[in-house]
Amino acid sequence: DTGVSQNPRHKITKRGQNVTFRCDPISEHNRLYWYRQTLGQGPEFLTYFQNEAQLEKSRLLSDRFSAERPKGSFSTLEIQRTEQGDSAMYLCASSRGQADYGYTFGSGTRLTVV
Amino acid sequence: SQQGEEDPQALSIQEGENATMNCSYKTSINNLQWYRQNSGRGLVHLILIRSNEREKHSGRLRVTLDTSKKSSSLLITASRAADTASYFCATDVKSGTYKYIFGTGTRLKVLA
Repeated sequence: DTGVSQNPRHKITKRGQNVTFRCDPISEHNRLYWYRQTLGQGPEFLTYFQNEAQLEKSRLLSDRFSAERPKGSFSTLEIQRTEQGDSAMYLCASSRGQADYGYTFGSGTRLTVV
Repeated sequence: SQQGEEDPQALSIQEGENATMNCSYKTSINNLQWYRQNSGRGLVHLILIRSNEREKHSGRLRVTLDTSKKSSSLLITASRAADTASYFCATDVKSGTYKYIFGTGTRLKVLA
């Protein structure tokens, strides 16, 4: 169990550029979640996967956001045409999908749009 | 949207004292969890309590749940400087999705 890995840890990009983040969950976890967290706030749900199926997307996830989890392994979150309001910490978590287990979070990717 | 709200927003105590933080939520739940987040890092799962449980312990942590009041509390006993962090409650929204919605958090500072 090597934990949830997120890359990159930090990303600075110019407004209008596209960015992609990667999350490698714990291998035996079939559920994967993406959250966004801004300073001083709790994590906000973006989307989640069960295996390779994307089961729910928040309305926070505009058309500029897309997430994939090919073959139910790692996941990517892409933001197109970034805006300054996209600056946040993007957190990935995985779980066994059983009621008695909590999430295991990665350390997050901090995005700064300048 | 935030399902839960923690109270207080910020708490400062001396090392050795107990810290209590509260969480209120809006809709019926199956489970409630508490997480800790050190500055700039990911969240760490502390404890999960089911809706049919009233109290749960883990080391220096004690969690209570009152479903009639839609509230939970987290007590950290004999606090240490290393407990300095933000604490969040998270509630599941509907059965089967295991999707948790997080509260706004309590920022705890333990002074040595």
